[in-house]
Parts: sequence; structure tokens; C-alpha cells
Amino acid sequence: GQSLEQPSEVTAVEGAIVQINCTYQTSGFYGLSWYQQHDGGAPTFLSYNGLDGLEETGRFSSFLSRSDSYGYLLLQELQMKDSASYFCAVRDNYGQNFVFGPGTRLSVLP
Amino acid sequence: GAGVSQSPSNKVTEKGKDVELRCDPISGHTALYWYRQSLGQGLEFLIYFQGNSAPDKSGLPSDRFSAERTGGSVSTLTIQRTQQEDSAVYLCASSLVAGPSYNEQFFGPGTRLTVL
Repeated sequence: GQSLEQPSEVTAVEGAIVQINCTYQTSGFYGLSWYQQHDGGAPTFLSYNGLDGLEETGRFSSFLSRSDSYGYLLLQELQMKDSASYFCAVRDNYGQNFVFGPGTRLSVLP
Repeated sequence: GAGVSQSPSNKVTEKGKDVELRCDPISGHTALYWYRQSLGQGLEFLIYFQGNSAPDKSGLPSDRFSAERTGGSVSTLTIQRTQQEDSAVYLCASSLVAGPSYNEQFFGPGTRLTVL
């Protein structure tokens, strides 16, 4: 089967660093993506990892280990506006299907 | 256009009725995706179009669901004989290049479907 696992909730304080993990089991693998979704809003793209290693985009970084079927999203210098749900997603089936994780709800406290 | 648009933004219908949901992707985007999201849940992949063709329709939940795309642009998701379990937000997304190497999808605001 196809499945992605993420923690359901994470809480941190402003200015802190938080890591959201994602493990996956899919029939194929064409990269791991991360999306952010605020309540009532549409998902927005954050990052993509096609190869092993770390990708950095401002305060956000994403990591992938294909041998471990594992990735994470790292958020630094947390701000209140980072409170949202974060989804990892994998392209499989020769790139024709996307499988999203259940999402991690991040709450940033003052 | 500036982004992906979807219509209607909200749809309330009675059980058993048919509904059509529309998606206008970003101009020039060859790939188009439909997802369903229930309250507080993740995104359920429904179907993917490359141009006007959908290589794999296995993500559609039942044969009551169908989708088409014409002119490589607008897409319509049709749900026949709606059921209460169809109530969800239906999201459309598009991307510039299809294929496994490009993963940035741009999402529309969604259509919230309520089946009474």
C-alpha cells in the first residue's frame, strides 16, 4: 500500500526551531515535497527534495534520505504566522499520482 | 490569470443530485490535479491531467465521479448522485511542467461541497 506518516501535532514557542518528520511507503518514488496550509486556506508549496540531502529556503529547510524512506521539514526562528498545517507529499506511480501525508498541525506560542 | 480559480466557492446540494465543479488553471500550466479534503484531514488525490488526457483515473473514489479537461485548460469534476460522504472541500491545482521532476503545484481556493 501507499502511506505517509507524520506527527499529528507539534507545539513550539516563537523564535524556536522545530522539525516535522515524514516517513513514507509508496509503490514508486519521484521526490518528497512539503506544503503549508493555513486554516481555511489553500496549500502552498514550500520545498522539494528529489535527491538525498538538505535543501534550504530562507527559514525553512527540508531533508531527504531515500535509503531510509524518510524526510523532514525544519523551521527556524519560528513566527506566529508559521502556525499552520504542514503536509509532506510523494509522487509515485511513475509520477502520475501524488500521495499526501495526514498533516502536522504546528502551533506557535508567544 | 493571476492564479488558479475554482467555482463555485460553495455548493450545497441535496443527496442524489449531480454537481459540477470547475477549475481554471494558471495559463500555460500543462498539468492539472484534483484533490478532496475532508475537515481536518489530509489531501486525497483524485486525478491528474497532462494536457487533456488523464493517464490514471484509479484515484477517483467511485464511478459516480468523473473529470474532463478541454483545450488543455479548464477542467470539470462531476459527481453524480451525490451522497453525504461526498461532502468535503475539492481542491484543484496546476503546475507548469508535468513529469516526475517538477513538483510545485499551485492550488486554487477550493469548492466546499455540502450534501444534505
